[in-house]
Amino acid sequence: KQEVTQIPAALSVPEGENLVLNCSFTDSAIYNLQWFRQDPGKGLTSLLLIQSSQREQTSGRLNASLDKSSGRSTLYIAASQPGDSATYLCAVTWGAQKLVFGQGTRLTINP
Amino acid sequence: DAGVTQSPTHLIKTRGQQVTLRCSPISGHKSVSWYQQVLGQGPQFIFQYYEKEERGRGNFPDRFSARQFPNYSSELNVNALLLGDSALYLCASSWTGQNEQFFGPGTRLTVL
Repeated sequence: KQEVTQIPAALSVPEGENLVLNCSFTDSAIYNLQWFRQDPGKGLTSLLLIQSSQREQTSGRLNASLDKSSGRSTLYIAASQPGDSATYLCAVTWGAQKLVFGQGTRLTINP
Repeated sequence: DAGVTQSPTHLIKTRGQQVTLRCSPISGHKSVSWYQQVLGQGPQFIFQYYEKEERGRGNFPDRFSARQFPNYSSELNVNALLLGDSALYLCASSWTGQNEQFFGPGTRLTVL
């Protein structure tokens, strides 16, 4: 079964720290992997998309890496700010077109 | 350019009723997908449409149905509502369905 897991479910860090969010998936034959941000009660904002052939993508203070062989992706956030507080979701597309989501990591940045 | 739009924003229904949710994709996008997100969980795939054809269906009962119109907008219908249908319903659009997905703000459905 194709599944996505995100651990931990919640993370709290002081402002200014660099941090890493983890995502693991069960089948390495992915098509692409996407990281999203979700604020409470809101829709999803796409942060980064990594194609199967890529190893990483960067956008501003965010860097996402992909290691298919180990079934892992990480989202690195540099110099965290209180505005980064949100739930971060990892989603994988395999052969079918649907996104399979992890449960998310709820991130709190403390001023 | 406008992003993905969904209507209504919030909806309150009673058990047994029927509901229709609407989604307009980003201009030029031909694929629309629907997801259900219950509190504290990641979104679950319901349907995907591309060029007005159903391309995929998740593990949801037949009470859930959808369609895509010639202008690529979409409707999600849920019949015989149950308390467990209470959730945030998200619509996503993309060029073909396998590209980057862009989500709308969602419709919050509460079933009493």
